Amino acid sequence: TQLLEQSPQFLSIQEGENLTVYCNSSSVFSSLQWYRQEPGEGPVLLVTVVTGGEVKKLKRLTFQFGDARKDSSLHITAAQPGDTGLYLCAGARWGQNFVFGPGTRLSVLP
Amino acid sequence: GAGVSQSPSNKVTEKGKDVELRCDPISGHTALYWYRQSLGQGLEFLIYFQGNSAPDKSGLPSDRFSAERTGGSVSTLTIQRTQQEDSAVYLCASTPGGGRATDTQYFGPGTRLTVL
Repeated sequence: TQLLEQSPQFLSIQEGENLTVYCNSSSVFSSLQWYRQEPGEGPVLLVTVVTGGEVKKLKRLTFQFGDARKDSSLHITAAQPGDTGLYLCAGARWGQNFVFGPGTRLSVLP
Repeated sequence: GAGVSQSPSNKVTEKGKDVELRCDPISGHTALYWYRQSLGQGLEFLIYFQGNSAPDKSGLPSDRFSAERTGGSVSTLTIQRTQQEDSAVYLCASTPGGGRATDTQYFGPGTRLTVL
């Protein structure tokens, strides 16, 4: 059983559309991170959230940490082909290692 | 500056052979992680090194897996008597501090291991 679930598993959309992907758990995390991974590369950190209810924006990307610190969402506005990749969430409980979700594979078609 | 590097980028081996995978972390980073990523899956934690502390080996799947970190820098992951289920991408990451819950992990490009 996955400690972190991500949905949807796959998402294919047209350029310019908006989308939201989700990261859910029954566990409480002290922090949660979102990474993007492109083929043949390692994951690259997008954001770290640590406070329940926290919202962070990174250009067209909006990240939210749930009030109970068990879930998170990533919203992309006006998706572009460059947003294509595997989006991974990772949660950590204090003093423990990060646990990664299985990822959402996003494809943005021009 | 230079990022995390890993070698080889690809490794094909026969079942039963031993393999060594190398990771060169970012200079000055005190913590180093190894992960395994199977096709289409997330990252599975293998082992964590922090400074001179005893490594956290809790993620190693069997005693065929071992890792060393020499001089607080370069790390080698060794898989003995490889099995087909060991086929995966092995990723290394380093972080500047030991604060696991908030540090940014900088990943290398990975080594793709194929066991025939």
